[in-house]
Amino acid sequence: GDSVTQMEGPVTLSEEAFLTINCTYTATGYPSLFWYVQYPGEGLQLLLKATKADDKGSNKGFEATYRKETTSFHLEKGSVQVSDSAVYFCARTLSGGYNKLIFGAGTRLAVHP
Amino acid sequence: KAGVTQTPRYLIKTRGQQVTLSCSPISGHRSVSWYQQTPGQGLQFLFEYFSETQRNKGNFPGRFSGRQFSNSRSEMNVSTLELGDSALYLCASSLKGDRGEKLFFGSGTQLSVL
Repeated sequence: GDSVTQMEGPVTLSEEAFLTINCTYTATGYPSLFWYVQYPGEGLQLLLKATKADDKGSNKGFEATYRKETTSFHLEKGSVQVSDSAVYFCARTLSGGYNKLIFGAGTRLAVHP
Repeated sequence: KAGVTQTPRYLIKTRGQQVTLSCSPISGHRSVSWYQQTPGQGLQFLFEYFSETQRNKGNFPGRFSGRQFSNSRSEMNVSTLELGDSALYLCASSLKGDRGEKLFFGSGTQLSVL
């Protein structure tokens, strides 16, 4: 069935380091792909999305490219800040319509000064 | 513009009781979805409502139910609570619930079952 797999955390980085969080999805249908972020005590916020192959989503310095050939949607940022510390979730739409999302397990990022 | 509002923020119940959680979507949004978040299972889809009709349902037992009112506000109910129902319940709204549409999440209701 449909699923999303993302790298386990926690990921610990120093400020200004390069970030990559890997995400792969099952290649069923033509899903839309998302990265959501959750800060402590809050709900999820959409970080970026891509709706078709080769699309690149970007926001706040974060980027991810929809790679159909490798079924991947890896999240990258060139220089992380302490304020980026949060849990990041990769997600895809379920085959068959509407906006039901399947989420990955989440990756906790901790950025130290 | 007000965001998605969930009430209450915290709930403590005992096994066997029932609970009702409330969600007020962003004004103008007609689709409301519910997700359960636990450390072990992560985020799991419960159900989605659009114009007072349930359009999608996840793999949860019948103890979990929901409804949507004409003003798009939604409630979910869990009957005969079990310890494993302890979780953060998140509500999300979107304009039409179309595939790929941005979801706006509330801060959630933290349910603890003792």
